[in-house]
Amino acid sequence: DAGVTQSPTHLIKTRGQQVTLRCSPKSGHDTVSWYQQALGQGPQFIFQYYEEEERQRGNFPDRFSGHQFPNYSSELNVNALLLGDSALYLCASSSFVAGGSTDTQYFGPGTRLTVL
Amino acid sequence: AQKVTQAQTEISVVEKEDVTLDCVYETRDTTYYLFWYKQPPSGELVFLIRRNSFDEQNEISGRYSWNFQKSTSSFNFTITASQVVDSAVYFCALSGPTSGTYKYIFGTGTRLKVLA
Repeated sequence: DAGVTQSPTHLIKTRGQQVTLRCSPKSGHDTVSWYQQALGQGPQFIFQYYEEEERQRGNFPDRFSGHQFPNYSSELNVNALLLGDSALYLCASSSFVAGGSTDTQYFGPGTRLTVL
Repeated sequence: AQKVTQAQTEISVVEKEDVTLDCVYETRDTTYYLFWYKQPPSGELVFLIRRNSFDEQNEISGRYSWNFQKSTSSFNFTITASQVVDSAVYFCALSGPTSGTYKYIFGTGTRLKVLA
């Protein structure tokens, strides 16, 4: 049973460029969340996608955008990269739970983005 | 506001010692969820436990145990007879309606070093 997968593993970009990160959820999951983890910090929530729509968003500028495909996989796009965007980007998958409850999120190995 | 505090930045123990990682949380929600994750050097966050606010029963899983006390807003994690493989960064996280049910709020993590 495959877990959450992310690609690429590492990425180096320069300021002003754009980047796309990819995530495939764990088998049976339909919801994908993205987190940014700066060095020495805990993960910070970027947004969550369910049924191909953004369901909730954290405190990130709209340079950060996403997409979810019909097969539940997801992309995170970051435009106009800044040095401060250098971080580990983690994808987490879970199952939709009705009634406002929350399901456990399972994380992938992350993509380490370096902006020069 | 919701907040998770892990005051211990780094802990070093000798193999076979017991160690407790502290987690204190703040929330005004009556229904919320608490989590612990392990992050080894590879970067992937590994799920350890989930607890909802109505279940104050302590849990033991092998060498791991968790103590949830609503009266002190704490959810502490103890590793008994620590092993070198336990070396990692451990994160406590909180989820609840105030910050958005789908968003996990993480602490800054505690780096555990187990010395042989």
